[in-house]
Amino acid sequence: AQKVTQTQTSISVVEKTTVTMDCVYETRDSSYFLFWYKQTASGEIVFLIRQDSYKKENATVGHYSLNFQKPKSSIGLIITATQIEDSAVYFCAMTINNAGAKLTFGGGTRLTVRP
Amino acid sequence: DTTVKQNPRYKLARVGKPVNLICSQTMNHDTMYWYQKKPNQAPKLLLFYYDKILNREADTFEKFQSSRPNNSFCSLYIGSAGLEYSAMYLCASSPGLGGSSYEQYFGPGTRLTVL
Repeated sequence: AQKVTQTQTSISVVEKTTVTMDCVYETRDSSYFLFWYKQTASGEIVFLIRQDSYKKENATVGHYSLNFQKPKSSIGLIITATQIEDSAVYFCAMTINNAGAKLTFGGGTRLTVRP
Repeated sequence: DTTVKQNPRYKLARVGKPVNLICSQTMNHDTMYWYQKKPNQAPKLLLFYYDKILNREADTFEKFQSSRPNNSFCSLYIGSAGLEYSAMYLCASSPGLGGSSYEQYFGPGTRLTVL
């Protein structure tokens, strides 16, 4: 079975700085997919970025990027030039090829961006 | 358009009464999911439909029912609500189970309160 762990329960940063959120995962499968989602204050969960296990390049979307360290089973989310509206709970998640599309989520990291 | 809609947004139910939640998507996605999310917890997958095939998680098998009358709509049914069912219920959809189409797009959620 898969397992996703986010050890940071909360982080606080000053706006316009860079923040990294950690995530480690466990799986016996050689092919898997890693995701980061953001839960806004209203409760809505929004897909941010993904990393496919077979890709060596770190994914980047807007001011989100990933630090994929496969040997360490680690997929960190990096947010550059943080803004107040980036304040949210961030979830790391994974799925594998034959898991019936089941997403396994980490416990989440609450990010607070302050002026 | 990656919109998933849910109705109602808020639902108040009495203990022992049935609850029916509705989800719709117009992206022609093959798979639709229902998650339960409680505060400070990760989303928990309850069940999902791949096309017309329903898959329910083993630990929630008897607690939740679902139907998918067509590709766009999916409902979540609780036959007899208990206090422990109070949570946010999130619907999501994705283009398919296989290949690279694993992103799930979430609706805004229905906040269910059972009294």
